Amino acid sequence: GAGVSQSPSNKVTEKGKDVELRCDPISGHTALYWYRQSLGQGLEFLIYFQGNSAPDKSGLPSDRFSAERTGGSVSTLTIQRTQQEDSAVYLCASSYWTGGREAFFGQGTRLTVV
Amino acid sequence: GDSVTQMEGPVTLSEEAFLTINCTYTATGYPSLFWYVQYPGEGLQLLLKATKADDKGSNKGFEATYRKETTSFHLEKGSVQVSDSAVYFCALSDSIGGKLIFGQGTELSVKP
Repeated sequence: GAGVSQSPSNKVTEKGKDVELRCDPISGHTALYWYRQSLGQGLEFLIYFQGNSAPDKSGLPSDRFSAERTGGSVSTLTIQRTQQEDSAVYLCASSYWTGGREAFFGQGTRLTVV
Repeated sequence: GDSVTQMEGPVTLSEEAFLTINCTYTATGYPSLFWYVQYPGEGLQLLLKATKADDKGSNKGFEATYRKETTSFHLEKGSVQVSDSAVYFCALSDSIGGKLIFGQGTELSVKP
């Protein structure tokens, strides 16, 4: 596709349920990032995939959060046993390696936990 | 670890005023530096970048110079417009892994 695609665009879920958020990066981009943006807050780094290297998971806030990237392309962010504090916009971005290359962002998934 | 610190917002200016948004960073090695912008209701997009010391990035009348001696990348514009109202994010990408780290963002509101 022409840009980074995220789905769903909106997700409302009940507390305690699991959710999966999907990201389709730009074709050929080897780097993929997930961030979280809470209302009125900045961008919180969650996880970073770079080629075949082990992902940098240092930003995942708890073991309820996990992410995978299949075949070096599509990525799924999974949140288990969702809590109200997980409500936020989850942003995905991709870029060519290396540092200095522009990262392109998707429109995000707005997650609301009720 | 690497980090980025921006001046706190919100910043409110009148149209045609001069804008400075301060950004400083901490990094090992030689990072690339970026300013991203998020207009109301839109996604993040790159505004400008600089990849080495003393480089100046510029776009849409905005400028920022990579200052290694002061570890800074301040964003400036000589005359802001109402359409510049947005949230501005400073970011760095380290030279080895490429991980992109953002500051907390600065909201700019320009009044006519």
